[in-house]
Amino acid sequence: EDKVVQSPLSLVVHEGDTVTLNCSYEVTNFRSLLWYKQEKKAPTFLFMLTSSGIEKKSGRLSSILDKKELFSILNITATQTGDSAVYLCAVDRYGNKLVFGAGTILRVKS
Amino acid sequence: SQTIHQWPATLVQPVGSPLSLECTVEGTSNPNLYWYRQAAGRGLQLLFYSVGIGQISSEVPQNLSASRPQDRQFILSSKKLLLSDSGFYLCAWAPGGMTLHFGNGTRLTVT
Repeated sequence: EDKVVQSPLSLVVHEGDTVTLNCSYEVTNFRSLLWYKQEKKAPTFLFMLTSSGIEKKSGRLSSILDKKELFSILNITATQTGDSAVYLCAVDRYGNKLVFGAGTILRVKS
Repeated sequence: SQTIHQWPATLVQPVGSPLSLECTVEGTSNPNLYWYRQAAGRGLQLLFYSVGIGQISSEVPQNLSASRPQDRQFILSSKKLLLSDSGFYLCAWAPGGMTLHFGNGTRLTVT
């Protein structure tokens, strides 16, 4: 059975801290791994990763994929209260049929 | 521009009542469309996907059905809602066939 496991389930940090969110997976027909940020409503797309070892970066967020060990991490540096959200990891098996992890709830305290 | 619309935003329905949630996309033709559900405190689960008019694939057995009556319209339905149908329902598509993008969702509470 395809599965995606995220850790930690939740964490609380202070503004300015750096956080690392983890995502491991076991799926057949891997095509890509995606990270989304979900606040009140729809998840918004952050990164898509297809190749091992190539870091994707957007501002204070970055992510990398290890296809040999079957995991990915999402780093957020200099966290801000606006980073508070649920971060979802998903694996695209084929045709955008994504398998999602349960998410990591991040709360950034001022 | 390419956009996705989903309504209603929230819905409270009694057990045993019917359901119809609608999703439409603009600015494209023949998109692949998806219905996901997110139960409280859990990740998203794919319910249905459609590659064209009248073509529906179901990922999990359940009390719900989907239809694609028009190219850019995707409908999620139920004849009789159960308490377990409560959740956050998201319609999604992949512009250009790449990454999945979501509508704003419908929060359904079955009482």
